[in-house]
Amino acid sequence: GAVVSQHPSRVICKSGTSVKIECRSLDFQATTMFWYRQFPKQSLMLMATSNEGSKATYEQGVEKDKFLINHASLTLSTLTVTSAHPEDSSFYICSARDRFRLYEQYFGPGTRLTVT
Amino acid sequence: LAKTTQPISMDSYEGQEVNITCSHNNIATNDYITWYQQFPSQGPRFIIQGYKTKVTNEVASLFIPADRKSSTLSLPRVSLSDTAVYYCLVPYGNNRLAFGKGNQVVVIP
Repeated sequence: GAVVSQHPSRVICKSGTSVKIECRSLDFQATTMFWYRQFPKQSLMLMATSNEGSKATYEQGVEKDKFLINHASLTLSTLTVTSAHPEDSSFYICSARDRFRLYEQYFGPGTRLTVT
Repeated sequence: LAKTTQPISMDSYEGQEVNITCSHNNIATNDYITWYQQFPSQGPRFIIQGYKTKVTNEVASLFIPADRKSSTLSLPRVSLSDTAVYYCLVPYGNNRLAFGKGNQVVVIP
């Protein structure tokens, strides 16, 4: 149980285009999902908290107009990187918190984004 | 914003027990302590979670002293596949998790 999937697993896009990444909780409902970014040899950095049915909450320094988050259902959150640039190339990871087990958080496998 | 402190790295031989201690001096009364394992280019994997005393599952044990200002993850008889980064996490504000640098464990044959 407690599986979180991400799609795609890796994506290459051209500078200036937008990319959407999906995060799904497969066997539980998640009112809250989180989006992280991880650069090589570094730790995960929390970007934003995605709440089902409401606006996302962004961490300081994260541009909300560049990283659009939509949490339309209890099992799906999407992150859209708009007007991507090479410096947005990173490993994006989502996590989901079980709505009935609030202390447990499960992570997706990550999405490798490369902007050329 | 990481609320935890861990050693940066440690090496261990196959078959040995590995103990990783984490400091969380400002842990709140209701906070759980959670440990994750991460391999390169993968998302963190849940290992174990605890609130106090001792918790054991099929892969690890977690020891939490009475003051809860630290915790120790114990991996029994490690194998090469246990080489990974281990993170100790305590939530803050709406159960957000702030990852510190983690502990790179390298298992040597």
